[in-house]
Amino acid sequence: GESVGLHLPTLSVQEGDNSIINCAYSNSASDYFIWYKQESGKGPQFIIDIRSNMDKRQGQRVTVLLNKTVKHLSLQIAATQPGDSAVYFCADSGGFKTIFGAGTRLFVKA
Amino acid sequence: GAGVSQSPSNKVTEKGKDVELRCDPISGHTALYWYRQSLGQGLEFLIYFQGNSAPDKSGLPSDRFSAERTGGSVSTLTIQRTQQEDSAVYLCASSTLNTGELFFGEGSRLTVL
Repeated sequence: GESVGLHLPTLSVQEGDNSIINCAYSNSASDYFIWYKQESGKGPQFIIDIRSNMDKRQGQRVTVLLNKTVKHLSLQIAATQPGDSAVYFCADSGGFKTIFGAGTRLFVKA
Repeated sequence: GAGVSQSPSNKVTEKGKDVELRCDPISGHTALYWYRQSLGQGLEFLIYFQGNSAPDKSGLPSDRFSAERTGGSVSTLTIQRTQQEDSAVYLCASSTLNTGELFFGEGSRLTVL
């Protein structure tokens, strides 16, 4: 069946450093992905998305990279701040049903 | 409000009781999802409604779980004869057909004693 998985369950970074969160997917037909951020006690919120006709998309301090050859995407956060501490999910949103990965908890050390 | 609204925000119940969780999606959103999130875990898909189509119930963990969506808007997730393993946060999300972005509510935290 379809699955979207993450390589690391937790990531700890120093404030000011860059963070990289990885995600693997299994459905080679997937054509649309979204990264969500979930802060404590809240529902996930949209951060950035990417379609399969792109391999990179940049937002404010965030960049998503998509490698269709190895079915992998990553979320890069530049100059990580304490407010970035959260759980990050990648999601395969190309089909009728959105499928979420396991999530990575990001800890930012001051 | 403009967002997805869920109630109750917290529910404590005794094992064996039935519970109902409500989701009020964003007006005009045709798709509605229920997910379950156990402590420190990811999002477990439960059920998906899209317009007037038959719901995708493939994620419901047992026949104690059911959901309905009335008038294409408000949805109720019902858990019968609750068990301790049902304790989790139940998240609802809605979206339009034109975008894959899901808009989540803040969840209903269920604790089964």
